[in-house]
Amino acid sequence: NAGVTQTPKFQVLKTGQSMTLQCAQDMNHNSMYWYRQDPGMGLRLIYYSASEGTTDKGEVPNGYNVSRLNKREFSLRLESAAPSQTSVYFCASHSQPQHFGDGTRLSIL
Amino acid sequence: QKEVEQDPGPLSVPEGAIVSLNCTYSNSAFQYFMWYRQYSRKGPELLMYTYSSGNKEDGRFTAQVDKSSKYISLFIRDSQPSDSATYLCAMTSGGSYIPTFGRGTSLIVHP
Repeated sequence: NAGVTQTPKFQVLKTGQSMTLQCAQDMNHNSMYWYRQDPGMGLRLIYYSASEGTTDKGEVPNGYNVSRLNKREFSLRLESAAPSQTSVYFCASHSQPQHFGDGTRLSIL
Repeated sequence: QKEVEQDPGPLSVPEGAIVSLNCTYSNSAFQYFMWYRQYSRKGPELLMYTYSSGNKEDGRFTAQVDKSSKYISLFIRDSQPSDSATYLCAMTSGGSYIPTFGRGTSLIVHP
């Protein structure tokens, strides 16, 4: 049972490049989430999807887009990466409480 | 003031000590309380999950919720170096399934 799987685990981008972070869960959860975690800032919610076909903004959505491809998959896209988006990104799925993937470490130069 | 306050530490203790980790909160609507453990370069892992007030024990870990004081605690007995990690508290209300997280407390257990 893999739980929540994120790919890639590491990525380095140049400013202005685009990238999609992938997330898949095998727990049949309806809700999925994307967070970023920065030192001293804790986990901040970027976007979430309460169910297949719906997405909503979280606390820090600017510069990001999401797609809920099906019940299992929820992707996060950076259209034009900026150094301020250097962070560790976590995907989670939910059935009270949340279950997290191991993160994508993203550096933008 | 953040909705959930958590001392970032680091908290350094000797092996075998009893550890107390705490969070305070301001939203009286919170009903579900969670503790996550996060090892370096890994995702948060659910450790304890409680509903409303009271205590819950799981092995060396005890979660305590005092809703009247808006205060939750995680106790670790006989702490081990393998307990060294960041511990995040989280909580949700009955009306929202989106948790509010504390910023995490870094715990170091030295041999």
